[in-house]
Amino acid sequence: SAVISQKPSRDICQRGTSLTIQCQVDSQVTMMFWYRQQPGQSLTLIATANQGSEATYESGFVIDKFPISRPNLTFSTLTVSNMSPEDSSIYLCSVSSGRVTDTQYFGPGTRLTVL
Amino acid sequence: DAKTTQPNSMESNEEEPVHLPCNHSTISGTDYIHWYRQLPSQGPEYVIHGLTSNVNNRMASLAIAEDRKSSTLILHRATLRDAAVYYCILRDWKTSGSRLTFGEGTQLTVNP
Repeated sequence: SAVISQKPSRDICQRGTSLTIQCQVDSQVTMMFWYRQQPGQSLTLIATANQGSEATYESGFVIDKFPISRPNLTFSTLTVSNMSPEDSSIYLCSVSSGRVTDTQYFGPGTRLTVL
Repeated sequence: DAKTTQPNSMESNEEEPVHLPCNHSTISGTDYIHWYRQLPSQGPEYVIHGLTSNVNNRMASLAIAEDRKSSTLILHRATLRDAAVYYCILRDWKTSGSRLTFGEGTQLTVNP
């Protein structure tokens, strides 16, 4: 299993500002992902964080809005840039070993409110 | 990714079995069937997965139809802690790797 922590756990931000969310895992993992969960909705994959290279973004998400870093196998950051109220969501980090039969573990999430 | 269809919500009474259905009529031969659940104010957690045969673990059982076009997650004795959104997800090992594509899931309410 993997234990994942996220910082901050929640934040309230003003529109036009940026927030960086950190994800720390207690062991080295192959795959790290960032998801968004808008109020009352299901999870949507934003991107796969690749160690040592640019993240792989899903359709509808771009690097300028959601820059991602992954400097090593246990840590990643997601920045939500130039925020608007529509960015108010829970942002979740998840990890897995990469095999399709393996469990994917999720962090507790970061609850972001943009005013 | 192949699509899954689940009821929006279900109710159960505590200590009774719960059968959560999932339809996946367009499933391919390389799709694994995964179930995750999300407790209130938490990230999703793994429940169970299978390919063709029925599966049991300490949390639940997974019954897979012979044609694989549907499956059922079985909680043998529901507790209040089992109240959550349950997601049925197909993962194609040939194309999607570790990616999870979440549908809307089933909101399970457990009555005391």
